[in-house]
Formats: sequence, C-alpha cells, structure tokens
Amino acid sequence: GQNIDQPTEMTATEGAIVQINCTYQTSGFNGLFWYQQHAGEAPTFLSYNVLDGLEEKGRFSSFLSRSKGYSYLLLKELQMKDSASYLCAKGHSGYALNFGKGTSLLVTP
Amino acid sequence: GAVVSQHPSWVICKSGTSVKIECRSLDFQATTMFWYRQFPKQSLMLMATSNEGSKATYEQGVEKDKFLINHASLTLSTLTVTSAHPEDSSFYICSATDRVRATNEKLFFGSGTQLSVL
Repeated sequence: GQNIDQPTEMTATEGAIVQINCTYQTSGFNGLFWYQQHAGEAPTFLSYNVLDGLEEKGRFSSFLSRSKGYSYLLLKELQMKDSASYLCAKGHSGYALNFGKGTSLLVTP
Repeated sequence: GAVVSQHPSWVICKSGTSVKIECRSLDFQATTMFWYRQFPKQSLMLMATSNEGSKATYEQGVEKDKFLINHASLTLSTLTVTSAHPEDSSFYICSATDRVRATNEKLFFGSGTQLSVL
C-alpha cells in the first residue's frame, strides 16, 4: 500500500502557526500534494512539491524531504476559516493520487 | 484553473436502483479521469481510472460490474452505480487531468456527489 500517514486531528488558536506532518512510502513517488477539504465539498489544491525543500505561498508553506518520505504543511496566522480537513496525497504514475486519511484542523478563538 | 462539472450534487435512491453520475471537463480535454469514493471521516479512495475510448482500470477490491464507467468522449465520463445498496452510500468525486496546461495543480476535481441509498 501507499501507507500515507498524517495525524487525525489537531487544534490550534487563531493567529498561531500549525504544522501538519505527513509520511509516505518513497517507492513510485511522483510528487506530494496538499489539499484542503471542507465537509461534503471537493478538495481544494494547496501545494505541490516534487523537489526537496520549502515552497511558500502566502500563509501556507509546504516542505518535502524525498529521502525521508516526509512532508509538512505549515499554516501561519491561522484564521477561523482555516478549520477544515487537510489531505496529504502522493502522486504516482499516470497522474493518479493516493490520499492520506486527512488531518482535521480546528482553529479556536 | 480548469473546471470540472459533476452532476448530480446529491441523490437519494431506493435500494436496488441504479444511479448515474456525470463528470464533465468544461474548458479542456480530459483523456484521463479518475473516480474516487469517500466515506465519512475517511480518505478519498481511488476506485478507477477512466481513459477515453478504452476500458476503465479498476483498483483492487472495486467491482467493475457494479461500478460501470464510460468515457466515450474527451470531456465526459460517467459512473453508474448498479443495483445500489445502503453500503454504497458515500461521497463520489471525479477528477480530471489537463495534460496540456502546465501547472502544479495536476488534478481538477468535480464538486462531488453525495449518494444516499435507502
């Protein structure tokens, strides 16, 4: 299997920083994706890493270490609307993605 | 970004009936479309890969005779859940690849279909 692991739930305070970790099996790797998903809605693309290092995009950043099979999503200046499920997904051949179970993030006042 | 339209958004049906879900790429040609299923608080699970003009490739454990996929054109793929039963109740979502558009957002998702089988 793809064994994509991420924490089930996290809670953070408005205005704070939170890091969501993801580990995956390194075989057949073709990019690492992060999505945001609200209940009953389609996932929204956040980031894509294929090379090692940090990709920054506004309040969201994503990091990848291919040798370690590790990625994280960093959310800064948390807002209440950031409460959602965050999905880590590994790309493999043919453009298909394998998703982790998602991390449910609750942002509190 | 590219737009993928999925219909219906939700459907309620009786056990034993068949339900068809459509997925259309509105502004690009999608040679490949993917169908996912998501149970509450679970991951999106890939069901099948649909290639235009050929038979779909199903993931292990997905019954091809129960989940019929048709990809007859470059902009339309359909998933038919045949003889639906309550255990088929789930969130079904399609996605498509725009191989021409060179962006990091490799997949474009439909809005999903919530199927409830009574």
